[in-house]
Amino acid sequence: AQKVTQAQTEISVVEKEDVTLDCVYETRDTTYYLFWYKQPPSGELVFLIRRNSFDEQNEISGRYSWNFQKSTSSFNFTITASQVVDSAVYFCALSETSGSRLTFGEGTQLTVNP
Amino acid sequence: GAGVSQTPSNKVTEKGKYVELRCDPISGHTALYWYRQSLGQGPEFLIYFQGTGAADDSGLPNDRFFAVRPEGSVSTLKIQRTERGDSAVYLCASSPRRGHYGYTFGSGTRLTVV
Repeated sequence: AQKVTQAQTEISVVEKEDVTLDCVYETRDTTYYLFWYKQPPSGELVFLIRRNSFDEQNEISGRYSWNFQKSTSSFNFTITASQVVDSAVYFCALSETSGSRLTFGEGTQLTVNP
Repeated sequence: GAGVSQTPSNKVTEKGKYVELRCDPISGHTALYWYRQSLGQGPEFLIYFQGTGAADDSGLPNDRFFAVRPEGSVSTLKIQRTERGDSAVYLCASSPRRGHYGYTFGSGTRLTVV
C-alpha cells in the first residue's frame, strides 16, 4: 500500500524567510508520480508540480523549488523569500502507475506573517 | 466548461436523510474521481470512473455511499441514511484519461450532517 507522510502539521514564518515543507512517501511500485498541491482558504486544490519517479532532477519555478531524492523516498518543497499570499495548506500526494487514485499526506499548514 | 464544477457548494442535512452531490467535469475528460476531505485531513479517495463505469470503488466507506456517471460526463455521489460522521468536504477531480495524471479539482461540496 502507498503512504505519504508530512510530519510538519503547522509551520509559521515571517515574510521573506525561506521555508521547506517535508514529504516522505512509501510505495512498492518502481514507477509512480509525486505531486504538490496548495489549498488556500477558499478550499480549491491548486496543482503546483508533478514529478515521475524516473526524473530525479530538481526543479525550480520562480520562488518554488522541489528536491526529489529516491534514496530517502522524499520529495521536499521549498519556498524562497516567502510572502503572505503563500499562506495555505500544502499537500504532497502520490499516484502509482494505475492512475486510479492520489494518496495524499495530511498536509502542512503554512502561515506567513508580515 | 472551463473547470470542474460541483454543486451545491454547501449542503446541510439532517441525520438519516439522503443527499446527492453533483460533479460536472471538464468537457472531454474521461476520468473522474471523488475524494472526501475531513477537517484537518488530506483528501481521501472514494471512487474513480473511467467513462461510465466505476473502475475502482474501493475507497467507498460502506454501502450507504454510491456514485454514478451514466453518460460518462456528469457524476452524482449519493449518500443514504446520512450520519454525522459523513460531514466533510467532498471533492471531485477529472483528468483527460486514465494515466494522464493531469488532475483538475473542483471547489468541493461542504456537507454538514446535523
